[in-house]
Amino acid sequence: DTGVSQDPRHKITKRGQNVTFRCDPISEHNRLYWYRQTLGQGPEFLTYFQNEAQLEKSRLLSDRFSAERPKGSFSTLEIQRTEQGDSAMYLCASSLARGGNTEAFFGQGTRLTVV
Amino acid sequence: DQQVKQNSPSLSVQEGRISILNCDYTNSMFDYFLWYKKYPAEGPTFLISISSIKDKNEDGRFTVFLNKSAKHLSLHIVPSQPGDSAVYFCAASALQGGSEKLVFGKGTKLTVNP
Repeated sequence: DTGVSQDPRHKITKRGQNVTFRCDPISEHNRLYWYRQTLGQGPEFLTYFQNEAQLEKSRLLSDRFSAERPKGSFSTLEIQRTEQGDSAMYLCASSLARGGNTEAFFGQGTRLTVV
Repeated sequence: DQQVKQNSPSLSVQEGRISILNCDYTNSMFDYFLWYKKYPAEGPTFLISISSIKDKNEDGRFTVFLNKSAKHLSLHIVPSQPGDSAVYFCAASALQGGSEKLVFGKGTKLTVNP
């Protein structure tokens, strides 16, 4: 399977703990995105990378959130001091930069539950 | 401020008939539009897209129509099949404005009855 891969698929954590998610994009894709989806809502943009550079961040990405893509391949999203409001599906997507389109392909997501 | 709106939370159609899913947007900077399909416990799957320089794009059973003056787009599925039952998300981006992010609507749950 050469699609976007996310790990873990599910994570249950206690409030106040730190969690880290990993995303492996489609291999030739140079753009990588993180989105968050809560029940009844569409995905909400968090941040995106072109290669290893983080080019855009949403105001939703508080200082407890940090994302990295150190070698321009896989990415990690860390949430520090988790809160119950962080419970959501965290989606990673990737795309190949070319003029005139931004068709992003999504992974299956990591469902985070903060108890 | 919901920049992309899908005002119908759900839609039910008979197998073989046409499904029409609607989407409205408010940001005139949006110049690229996409439709995604999502099954439970899976990530969204890309279906079809359209650039603002076009008013129609067709791919098999799926056609997307864009009315820029009305800031409205629609997805037509003909003929509808039970396997099309899923949540459909409309998304938009402002590529010319330098933003790569997709702004999504809240989705419409389509049920195709056999």
